[in-house]
Amino acid sequence: SQTIHQWPATLVQPVGSPLSLECTVEGTSNPNLYWYRQAAGRGLQLLFYSVGIGQISSEVPQNLSASRPQDRQFILSSKKLLLSDSGFYLCAWSGQGRITNGYTFGSGTRLTVV
Amino acid sequence: SQQGEEDPQALSIQEGENATMNCSYKTSINNLQWYRQNSGRGLVHLILIRSNEREKHSGRLRVTLDTSKKSSSLLITASRAADTASYFCATASNYQLIWGAGTKLIIKP
Repeated sequence: SQTIHQWPATLVQPVGSPLSLECTVEGTSNPNLYWYRQAAGRGLQLLFYSVGIGQISSEVPQNLSASRPQDRQFILSSKKLLLSDSGFYLCAWSGQGRITNGYTFGSGTRLTVV
Repeated sequence: SQQGEEDPQALSIQEGENATMNCSYKTSINNLQWYRQNSGRGLVHLILIRSNEREKHSGRLRVTLDTSKKSSSLLITASRAADTASYFCATASNYQLIWGAGTKLIIKP
């Protein structure tokens, strides 16, 4: 069965420090991968998506970047965190194909920048 | 960007009652999906309804879709305390989903 792992669950980082959040998927090949951010009590904002290794599309210009070094690994990074980067970050995957048939989400990372 | 808008933003009902949430969207879609999010957790896919379907059931969940009005509703029957969560609709076109802001549902014991 397919599973998705996202870590860490919580993270407190000082302003100006780097960030690396990792997401891995098991039990499927060539998934579409997504990074979302969710502000408190709000909906989801798509940050990045990837349809294949090395293929990253950015939806919102910001202080963050994403990479997909392996088929089932998706990494969210920042060189220098800002206070506004605080939030709940979610990784998700879906099957290949043009019509999305549902996402499977990781358990999320709560990032607090202090 | 957000396309779906859930209504109401928050809903509080007694355990055992039915809960109805609505979602409106703006553009044509391939399908519409509903997700649940427990506090501080990831989202869980509940049900998907395709654009050529009008109604779908899954356990205590009933989803309707009216493409002429660009709206959908999620009905949870015989609510339980464990149904307390935020519920999101998402519309699918091509390779990604567009999300609404969610309805926060509280079931009072």
